[in-house]
Amino acid sequence: DSGVTQTPKHLITATGQRVTLRCSPRSGDLSVYWYQQSLDQGLQFLIQYYNGEERAKGNILERFSAQQFPDLHSELNLSSLELGDSALYFCASSPLTGNPVNEQFFGPGTRLTVL
Amino acid sequence: AQSVTQPDIHITVSEGASLELRCNYSYGATPYLFWYVQSPGQGLQLLLKYFSGDTLVQGIKGFEAEFKRSQSSFNLRKPSVHWSDAAEYFCAVGASGNTGKLIFGQGTTLQVKP
Repeated sequence: DSGVTQTPKHLITATGQRVTLRCSPRSGDLSVYWYQQSLDQGLQFLIQYYNGEERAKGNILERFSAQQFPDLHSELNLSSLELGDSALYFCASSPLTGNPVNEQFFGPGTRLTVL
Repeated sequence: AQSVTQPDIHITVSEGASLELRCNYSYGATPYLFWYVQSPGQGLQLLLKYFSGDTLVQGIKGFEAEFKRSQSSFNLRKPSVHWSDAAEYFCAVGASGNTGKLIFGQGTTLQVKP
């Protein structure tokens, strides 16, 4: 158990819908990262937050957005869902930012299926 | 641009045999390199990491990796594979800039034959 929790574990929805994925980082970790794992794209970095502020952006679609709240939990919002958005979405946390030396601890992921 | 290549999509080894998973990276400076393992239905777990110093890095579960700058490689090794090592393995490089984001390879699926 990494200490990172993600809810829900599975999510099945229809095209055009909007969903919210939730992540609670390890206690004390200020940095949260979101990754998408799909069969065709592999494991890709989406976005990072540090202490409530966006720190880095990767290949995140405009239909996707995220935020980190004062209690440090984070939410990833996916809207106007398409079949291709079906993937495993991981959240990871680390104590600090700006230094890859800080190990990232991964949650178990949320599996999103868009029908 | 930074990238990571894992040339082997799928590898099968017999239990007790040695293992080497290949990883090549593209990075302008001294890289931060990682190996993660993902068991079915689980998140990623860090096996080992390299930042500087000794080029042979020891990790958890009996794994080790060797950084070879001349070959831009960071191959993962284990002398004797156990059935419980069957999983997907990811090599990653820490991206440049003031973030900790990771760039992953495509992964190698390890199957262990009894």
